[in-house]
Amino acid sequence: EAQVTQNPRYLITVTGKKLTVTCSQNMNHEYMSWYRQDPGLGLRQIYYSMNVEVTDKGDVPEGYKVSRKEKRNFPLILESPSPNQTSLYFCASSLSGGETQYFGPGTRLLVL
Amino acid sequence: SQKIEQNSEALNIQEGKTATLTCNYTNYSPAYLQWYRQDPGRGPVFLLLIRENEKEKRKERLKVTFDTTLKQSLFHITASQPADSATYLCALDMSYSSASKIIFGSGTRLSIRP
Repeated sequence: EAQVTQNPRYLITVTGKKLTVTCSQNMNHEYMSWYRQDPGLGLRQIYYSMNVEVTDKGDVPEGYKVSRKEKRNFPLILESPSPNQTSLYFCASSLSGGETQYFGPGTRLLVL
Repeated sequence: SQKIEQNSEALNIQEGKTATLTCNYTNYSPAYLQWYRQDPGRGPVFLLLIRENEKEKRKERLKVTFDTTLKQSLFHITASQPADSATYLCALDMSYSSASKIIFGSGTRLSIRP
């Protein structure tokens, strides 16, 4: 089944403790993105990747890192999480620009 | 910077009527405009994409229009059903050869009363 998977689905952590949220897609898609969704602010793009080893900032990249060492995986790294990074995070992938984006199920993060 | 606005935070209509949702943007027109459906606690699901040189796109009971002069897209659901109740998001897809920025509106929560 074609899908985007994210792990973990739920995470509670403390300020400053590094964490990684994994994202994997099995559709051989070139493009992948990370978004965060907050009430009243909608979905905001954090980082995107147009291919292996090609990543760029979205609208809200501060406090996040990403890597794209292989096509299927696009992990999101929070080196030193802070409470303002408490949010619902979505990973998405698409064949290329201007194509359908497929979203993962989301990761709900709480930073205390 | 590019801004996108979905006019209604919530829309409540009677089953069987046509629901019309609005998406407006500022500045330059995107290459593509997309509409998604999102149910509570789930990721958005793609519905329709329309290109800047297209005026209208249809899929079953769904219709999207794109007016680059007005900088507006309208999303219609005809013969609406309670199962259509969800939040609908529009997104400007600014993809071009060296970038893939996508900007989402904050969504319209649609409720269809039986």
